[in-house]
Order: sequence, then C-alpha cells, then structure tokens
Amino acid sequence: DGGITQSPKYLFRKEGQNVTLSCEQNLNHDAMYWYRQDPGQGLRLIYYSQIVNDFQKGDIAEGYSVSREKKESFPLTVTSAQKNPTAFYLCASSISRNYNSPLHFGNGTRLTVT
Amino acid sequence: GESVGLHLPTLSVQEGDNSIINCAYSNSASDYFIWYKQESGKGPQFIIDIRSNMDKRQGQRVTVLLNKTVKHLSLQIAATQPGDSAVYFCAENSPSGGSNYKLTFGKGTLLTVNP
Repeated sequence: DGGITQSPKYLFRKEGQNVTLSCEQNLNHDAMYWYRQDPGQGLRLIYYSQIVNDFQKGDIAEGYSVSREKKESFPLTVTSAQKNPTAFYLCASSISRNYNSPLHFGNGTRLTVT
Repeated sequence: GESVGLHLPTLSVQEGDNSIINCAYSNSASDYFIWYKQESGKGPQFIIDIRSNMDKRQGQRVTVLLNKTVKHLSLQIAATQPGDSAVYFCAENSPSGGSNYKLTFGKGTLLTVNP
C-alpha cells in the first residue's frame, strides 16, 4: 500500500534542542516537500526537493534544515534557531514539481516545544 | 470567505443535503487547482483536481466548478454524509519563474454534517 509515512506522530522537546522529523515515501515520487500548518492558516512551505541531493528553501526556511540522500526519504530538522517551532508539520510528495500533479500528504507530526 | 485569526469559515449541513464549499483564488495565471479534505489530526487528503482549460469536473459524489472570470472555485458534495465532516481547502498552482510552479493553499472551510 503506497503512501507517505511520517514519524513520530507527536514529539515533545525542550527549547534549545534540535529535533528531526522523519518522512518516508514509497510512491516513487521525485519531489518531496515540508509544510508547516498553524491554526487558521494555509499551509506554508518550508523546504522542497525535486531530486536526490538537491533541495530548495521555501517561504519560511529560517530555523529549519533538510537533507535528501535517498529518493524515499526527506527528513526535516527543526533547529534551536526557529523562533516559534510548535506546530503541525506535514510532509508531502508529488511526481514532479515542474508540472501539474497533486501533492500526497503524510499524516503529520505535531511538535510541541516548551 | 477569509478566516479571521484562528477561526475558519464554517458550513453546517444536514445529512443527505448537498454541500457547496467556495474558494476565491488570487492569481489569474494559475492553471491547476486542487481540493483537499483534512480530518482532525490527519494530513490533507486529495479529493479532486481541475486544470484551467476545464470549467467542471466530476468525481464520486463530488464536482468541482471553475470560474476563471471571477477567479472562483467551488466544491460540491452530493448527499453529504457524517464522514464528510472535515476542513476542506483549495490550492492553486501558478507559475513562479522559469519552469517552476508554486502551490498556494487556502485557509479552509470547516464542514459539519448534522445527522
């Protein structure tokens, strides 16, 4: 059953600690994305990757980092530099970023930083 | 409509009624549109998409209408069921330079289906 797996579902961290969110897809999609969702707001793009070993900043990349060493995996690190890290984080993938195709989303990781 | 702060626009319907959820998009150059359904605590689920060379597309119990003149998109759900209760949001895909596209998401509408 193809899809996107995000783990963990809930994550709690102390302020000042870096934390890495996992995202794996078995859809054979080239493009992968990280979005942040806050109450009452549309999804905001953090980072995206069109191919392995390449990634680009989205609209709100500050305080985040990513890697794309394998096609299937696109982990997101929330660093201590991110001023307001508590949010619901969504990973997505699509066939390609360069033509019209829907994004498929995982079920998210809710990060709480205290 | 637009959300204010934490509050989403809401639509409350009776089970069995038809629902219409609206979305105004901003970029006249957008050429692809998607509707998503998001249940509480889950990721968005793809419902239906439409390209700008069409004005209507039908799926199972859902229809998307596109009016490019007024930059308006709507999602119609026939015979709404309690399981349809969720937040629905649209997304528009627009050119952002070179061969790149940018997907912009709306804030969503909360649909509540009353049994």
